[in-house]
Order: sequence, then C-alpha cells, then structure tokens
Amino acid sequence: QVQLQQWGAGLLKPSETLSLTCAVYGGSFSAYYWSWIRQPPGKGLEWIGEIDHSGITNYNPSLKSRVTISVDTSKNQFSLKLRSVTAADTAVYYCASRSPGTGRVFTYWGQGTLVTVSS
Amino acid sequence: DIQMTQSPSTLSASVGDRVTITCRASQSISTWLAWYQQKPGKAPNLLIYKASSLESGVPSRFSGSGSGTEFTLTISGLQPDDFATYYCQQYKSYSSFGQGTKLEIK
Repeated sequence: QVQLQQWGAGLLKPSETLSLTCAVYGGSFSAYYWSWIRQPPGKGLEWIGEIDHSGITNYNPSLKSRVTISVDTSKNQFSLKLRSVTAADTAVYYCASRSPGTGRVFTYWGQGTLVTVSS
Repeated sequence: DIQMTQSPSTLSASVGDRVTITCRASQSISTWLAWYQQKPGKAPNLLIYKASSLESGVPSRFSGSGSGTEFTLTISGLQPDDFATYYCQQYKSYSSFGQGTKLEIK
C-alpha cells in the first residue's frame, strides 16, 4: 500500500516560488508515475504535471512555462516548484500516483497542502 | 485541450434513490474516463476507470458507462456515505477534470 505525505510553505507573496515535496512510503518508487494536482477553493481539479523515477516529465501545457517537477530517488521523494505565483495559484495542492499501465488514473493521493498567495 | 462538462452541478436525492451524473467531453476520448468521489477536506477517491471498470474495493452500487464524448456515473441505492462531490476526468490527452457534481441529501 502506497502512502504519500506532502509538505511545503503555505503562505506566499505574489511573484514568489511555490515549493512542495511529497514523500512516498510503501510500494516500489520506480513502479509508478508521480503527479501534482491542485484545487482552488470551492472549485474543480487541475492536473499540473508528472514525473517518473528516471526524471521524465510531462506538464500541463497551461502551466508548463512556470512549473518544474523533480525527483530524488534516494529519498523516495518528488517535488514541485511553481514560479511567479499570483492569487490565481491559491489552491490545495495534492501529490498523487498512478500506475504506468492504466493511464493517468490517480489511485493514491497525499493529504493536500493549502497554499495561499497574498500580499 | 479537452474540456469536460458535468451535469447537473448539484443533485438532491434521498437514501435509497438511484442517481445518474453525466459528463461530456469536448472531443472524443474513447473510454479514457475516470470518476472520483471527494468529501470535504479530503483528497479525491478513485471509483471508476476506463469508463466502466470498478476500482478495487469500491461498492458495486457504483457503475459507469459511455464512450466517445458522453459518459454517466450511476449510483444505485444511495447510502448515507455517498453524499459527496463527484468529478469526471479524461486522460486521453494529458488530463482534465469536470467542474464537479455535488450530491446533496434531499
């Protein structure tokens, strides 16, 4: 059973960089793809991007210019950086995982981190 | 990009009812569609994938159908634990979600 635990700064000012990390417990780190998904307050879900254990990434085209997802296989962790944040980036951010053979279907999720962007 | 539209936005029902939520894609996604349930303050939980395949551990009262651009999630015999928000998700091209359907107690 895979468990995801995430952390990072919860309050940012406009133009700063959002930084979150997700640690993976259980399962095989190399067996999954690792994603970030966000949800603005009271709104729907938005897929941000994903990475595999070798560092191959895929990003949502709408966010690609500001996003970097990285992986640290020695710690079974992956991270999100989102540059130049604005109030529109205020959301609960989730890390999540999917199996390679099923498409982007997210079976395991972190607990979520509320990130607020405010001056 | 592929837009997903759910209807209705809110649905009121009673325990024991059979309810259906519809999800439409802006272009054909074959059966690359999933459904999730989300409760307040919690992460989404996968119910259905590949339009009609039930995720392990999900009660059989949940079922999904459809292909191409139109899909449905049906809950047969609503239980108190089913009152939540439901999202559809396409994963044919990258990934995108519907805006959600809130299932409320009548």
